[in-house]
Amino acid sequence: GIQVEQSPPDLILQEGANSTLRCNFSDSVNNLQWFHQNPWGQLINLFYIPSGTKQNGRLSATTVATERYSLLYISSSQTTDSGVYFCAVGGFSGAGSYQLTFGKGTKLSVIP
Amino acid sequence: DSGVTQTPKHLITATGQRVTLRCSPRSGDLSVYWYQQSLDQGLQFLIQYYNGEERAKGNILERFSAQQFPDLHSELNLSSLELGDSALYFCASSVDRQGDEQYFGPGTRLTVT
Repeated sequence: GIQVEQSPPDLILQEGANSTLRCNFSDSVNNLQWFHQNPWGQLINLFYIPSGTKQNGRLSATTVATERYSLLYISSSQTTDSGVYFCAVGGFSGAGSYQLTFGKGTKLSVIP
Repeated sequence: DSGVTQTPKHLITATGQRVTLRCSPRSGDLSVYWYQQSLDQGLQFLIQYYNGEERAKGNILERFSAQQFPDLHSELNLSSLELGDSALYFCASSVDRQGDEQYFGPGTRLTVT
């Protein structure tokens, strides 16, 4: 099946700093999503970005499908950005079944 | 709010018992997906239903089963529960095709004692 690797696993930022989170995947995909899991466990959709670049406020994302990676940029970080950021890619498993495969996440802590 | 609802929010039960988790997809979405998030396995895809029929299967145990009803809500049944089944169970929905954006519900936190 598709392998998804996220880096770094942990990140501590001072409020106001910028950061880049990376997601590498092992095969061609037709779906790539970034999520933020807040401290209450909710998974919040950030971007649906199988290819190209999107921006939403202080967050932006870029996926280069041909090179099998995606980047999530967080600018001017705030304490409310803390949580775990997941990358998930959609493709076919070894058994031929379509599924969304999640990376292990990047745990972000923003300190005042 | 994603528009996907899940009940209950929390569930505490004993080993050997059976529980049912319920999910209502976003209005207009035909596909429902179930995921399990545990500390050791991370977020894993369990099963997908599309318009009432099973469409894809992931790492779902034989003790677990799901169905999607004519009104498109879905239920995940977990039986002969073990301590290791304690996890956060998410439901997600999408419009139609595999590859469409998936929207996640708030999850059901299951604790098996």
